Amino acid sequence: GQQLNQSPQSMFIQEGEDVSMNCTSSSIFNTWLWYKQDPGEGPVLLIALYKAGELTSNGRLTAQFGITRKDSFLNISASIPSDVGIYFCAGANNNDMRFGAGTRLTVKP
Amino acid sequence: GAVVSQHPSWVICKSGTSVKIECRSLDFQATTMFWYRQFPKQSLMLMATSNEGSKATYEQGVEKDKFLINHASLTLSTLTVTSAHPEDSSFYICSAPGHWNEPQHFGDGTRLSIL
Repeated sequence: GQQLNQSPQSMFIQEGEDVSMNCTSSSIFNTWLWYKQDPGEGPVLLIALYKAGELTSNGRLTAQFGITRKDSFLNISASIPSDVGIYFCAGANNNDMRFGAGTRLTVKP
Repeated sequence: GAVVSQHPSWVICKSGTSVKIECRSLDFQATTMFWYRQFPKQSLMLMATSNEGSKATYEQGVEKDKFLINHASLTLSTLTVTSAHPEDSSFYICSAPGHWNEPQHFGDGTRLSIL
């Protein structure tokens, strides 16, 4: 199935730094989602975006649904060690959901 | 919020064995569930859409006779990997849309290792 282009692939940052990752697609999606996956577990929903241009926050996380409906970004502010994991973006049209390749985040204390 | 339970979480078995994985929606009904496969350090790839009361819809390249899906009730879908071989070893994850068109909620996944 069609995949999204997610970048960066991995990030190594110091605790307290801010993080930014993004996803682009050649197709339009009605919904953009950001998930976090810890090793050996299923993805957990962080933020869901439903409208073009929407900017939504969840604690230290902020995500935006691009105006063109073909992209989204996720920012994490003041990172902490427990932010470590793999972050996936997903674009969805109804229940048809496609994932980015993931961004592997490492946070050094 | 909606919870999806997946069982077992880990399976190790010999080549040629058939393995059944269960996916349950715990506090909501799911007429549709999704099965994904994830290889190490890769993204989730949709294998099939499980439909309660009708046949599953498989993604291109996924063998329906190899990966049997049964959605027998509104809260249970099963994926059976038939005559599993080492190349079938992977992390299998199910998901279901939650209440009122909430985004998909994922199970904790099943790690399948075929020796």
